[in-house]
Amino acid sequence: QSVLTQPPSASGTPGQRVTISCSGSSSNIGTNYVYWYQQLPGTAPELLIYRNNQRPSGVPDRFSGSKSGTSASLAISGLRSEDEADYYCAAWDDSLSYVFGTGTKVTVL
Amino acid sequence: EVQLLESGGGLVQPGGSLRLSCAASGFTFSSYAMSWVRQAPGKGLEWVSAISGSGGSTYYADSVKGRFTISRDNSKNMLYLQMNNLRAEDTAVYYCAKDRVVTPTGWFDSWGQGTLVTVSS
Repeated sequence: QSVLTQPPSASGTPGQRVTISCSGSSSNIGTNYVYWYQQLPGTAPELLIYRNNQRPSGVPDRFSGSKSGTSASLAISGLRSEDEADYYCAAWDDSLSYVFGTGTKVTVL
Repeated sequence: EVQLLESGGGLVQPGGSLRLSCAASGFTFSSYAMSWVRQAPGKGLEWVSAISGSGGSTYYADSVKGRFTISRDNSKNMLYLQMNNLRAEDTAVYYCAKDRVVTPTGWFDSWGQGTLVTVSS
């Protein structure tokens, strides 16, 4: 089963904008919704973005998602220290499985 | 408030079996698909298995197909994962996750705190 590809790390100073890419294929991102999860150190993941670009209630509008073709991206604007976490993209695959991205560790410098 | 509480993790020898449970509360359990997602120490997330709200449809990752069985008891609001023929590479924290709809989509709007499974001799 395929895995979605993300950069292993990303960083920025407080207030900056950080973007995380997620590359998939026609069988997953190309035809299905993309989800993003945030995992703070030592905790369970939490839903950050659903259906490509929708934010659950309670998620700040500093977080935004987009999708184009077989790729997706997560942008964090106005970076804050509490955004330091691991971020995972995910999508259903037409092979009847669910695939997560390789994960990106965001560091606030 | 949605609550998911996993249990059943522990130390097991290679080739052994273990049954994980996830107790759900705070929502109409049968109306939502559920999944198991695992995370090996220091590694990323890996989806393991999913089950529809009725329990009539199940899905598995290739890495566990034929060894793991997902099931649910909607009368008890319980999700299970029967794990057989365990391997060292199954060592991970196992999370149960609630889907947003009745069929699996991966739209996980709630997660449990996880239970650790260690496969070692």
